[in-house]
Amino acid sequence: ETGVTQSPTHLIKTRGQQVTLRCSSQSGHNTVSWYQQALGQGPQFIFQYYREEENGRGNFPPRFSGLQFPNYSSELNVNALELDDSALYLCASRHRDSFTDTQYFGPGTRLTVL
Amino acid sequence: TQLLEQSPQFLSIQEGENLTVYCNSSSVFSSLQWYRQEPGEGPVLLVTVVTGGEVKKLKRLTFQFGDARKDSSLHITAAQPGDTGLYLCASNDYKLSFGAGTTVTVRA
Repeated sequence: ETGVTQSPTHLIKTRGQQVTLRCSSQSGHNTVSWYQQALGQGPQFIFQYYREEENGRGNFPPRFSGLQFPNYSSELNVNALELDDSALYLCASRHRDSFTDTQYFGPGTRLTVL
Repeated sequence: TQLLEQSPQFLSIQEGENLTVYCNSSSVFSSLQWYRQEPGEGPVLLVTVVTGGEVKKLKRLTFQFGDARKDSSLHITAAQPGDTGLYLCASNDYKLSFGAGTTVTVRA
């Protein structure tokens, strides 16, 4: 148990639709990151939020957007879905201090685009 | 973005055997982390290595960080079915950059 939850567990959408995925981070972790993991691959960094502001982005188009809320929850929004967006989407809450830098992953949302 | 190569891609062994998986980069790691991911779950951090030449042990798992901080290995002694999973290495900067992983299957 990492204390990070995600919803929904699975989701099926059709090409062109929009989707919102949700994540609840550990209390006190003010940094959340989102990753996309295609089948057979390692997770790829989408973006990171710190205190409700985006402060880092990977190689993903603007139709991938996010929000972070004061209650340690966050959202990943994807517009104009494409077939290649089918993947496991992971969120991770980050705890960093002088001694450690650890990201705690949720179980992911499996998105299928038909 | 740092590119990490992991080998082998797949590994299937019998319970009780030993195994080693590798992680390599053409550039120096600031720090490197190893994760294990089981089906239906997110990756779980196993260890962080920072210093070149560092060796860390976690029960039957031994992690080595190369002297030049460009490579790392994970060795499992007397593997058990519970060790089955996807083993991922990641460089840890403001974001994690993962390798493609090694899928390990330990047969009972």
